[in-house]
Amino acid sequence: GAVVSQHPSRVICKSGTSVKIECRSLDFQATTMFWYRQFPKQSLMLMATSNEGSKATYEQGVEKDKFLINHASLTLSTLTVTSAHPEDSSFYICSARTDNTEAFFGQGTRLTVV
Amino acid sequence: SQKIEQNSEALNIQEGKTATLTCNYTNYSPAYLQWYRQDPGRGPVFLLLIRENEKEKRKERLKVTFDTTLKQSLFHITASQPADSATYLCALDMGTGFQKLVFGTGTRLLVSP
Repeated sequence: GAVVSQHPSRVICKSGTSVKIECRSLDFQATTMFWYRQFPKQSLMLMATSNEGSKATYEQGVEKDKFLINHASLTLSTLTVTSAHPEDSSFYICSARTDNTEAFFGQGTRLTVV
Repeated sequence: SQKIEQNSEALNIQEGKTATLTCNYTNYSPAYLQWYRQDPGRGPVFLLLIRENEKEKRKERLKVTFDTTLKQSLFHITASQPADSATYLCALDMGTGFQKLVFGTGTRLLVSP
């Protein structure tokens, strides 16, 4: 199946700093990628839909100025958590779909803000 | 309101038995329903997809049913193995033009030797 690579897998940052997470589709072109957030023992919550060459579509309640998404090419989307605070600590996962079938997920990024 | 519910409690079964996981939804009309497996600290992995006009789908030891009248999907793992222990997520797909998946709460399955 298709491969989605996400980096870094773990990051610890200081409160007030920004963190960038990369999501790459390695063997296919993804016009649309999705960013999810997952708290312990909870399901995936969609944060935003990232569209190549255009602005991301954010879900209700997600601060677009805090979670900056850039989809500069058909194989790369980035999520930047700006001015991170401890409450932003979570597991962030990206995914991509080649058509209206299965989604391919990255390995996830464990963000800890101290 | 829209909801997707799965067994909130962990499901404990013995090796060799059949595990049955439930996914119920309200106020959605999905074109497809998908099941994923998620291991701790990892992203989900696709298992099966079933369309709204399909009643049942099988893949090796896995079987999925989809009842659009009951708004329910059942996910079965036959001859379960300890390696099947994981969290299983159902996801609703509204079909063409929507792209995004909406995930259920997930059920943790524990298969004991």
